[in-house]
Amino acid sequence: SAVISQKPSRDICQRGTSLTIQCQVDSQVTMMFWYRQQPGQSLTLIATANQGSEATYESGFVIDKFPISRPNLTFSTLTVSNMSPEDSSIYLCSVYSLMNTEAFFGQGTRLTVV
Amino acid sequence: AQSVTQPDIHITVSEGASLELRCNYSYGATPYLFWYVQSPGQGLQLLLKYFSGDTLVQGIKGFEAEFKRSQSSFNLRKPSVHWSDAAEYFCAVGPMGGGNKLTFGTGTQLKVEL
Repeated sequence: SAVISQKPSRDICQRGTSLTIQCQVDSQVTMMFWYRQQPGQSLTLIATANQGSEATYESGFVIDKFPISRPNLTFSTLTVSNMSPEDSSIYLCSVYSLMNTEAFFGQGTRLTVV
Repeated sequence: AQSVTQPDIHITVSEGASLELRCNYSYGATPYLFWYVQSPGQGLQLLLKYFSGDTLVQGIKGFEAEFKRSQSSFNLRKPSVHWSDAAEYFCAVGPMGGGNKLTFGTGTQLKVEL
């Protein structure tokens, strides 16, 4: 199994600012993903973080708002830019293990924008 | 497009009673189906998964789920609920290959009365 460490675990931010969330995995993984879980809602895939190239965004999500980096096979960051209260959510990093045919999730980052 | 429906937003059961959480999916191909549990402040933990073969799948913590293609359902069951099972449960569907780019249901919040 993969162990995922996500930082910060929670934060309260002022509107108009940006927050970068880090995701560190204890092993090399091919596929990394970022999900958003809005209050009382399910998880929605934001993007696939590609190592060495631009992330692949799902419909409704854009790079200017959610820039993603993935410099190597164990680390990725998601930035929530120019935040508004509507960005208040839990953001989760996920990795997919081909060996286990299973997706693993980090603990999540609970973001509150005021 | 794929979708997952969990019709029950909240369920309350007494400790020791049986449990069934409903999940219906819409998917254009052979679905890969998952049940995840999310405890407060925790990430998602995989309970069980179905790819093929036996339609009754055993998972961790005494949970099982049954895939019924004719009903497009993948209901989660447990014969005797424990107080520690109180959490939110998510059903998810993914493409062939497993757990990448999952589509989640809206979740069912389980409350266990002592």
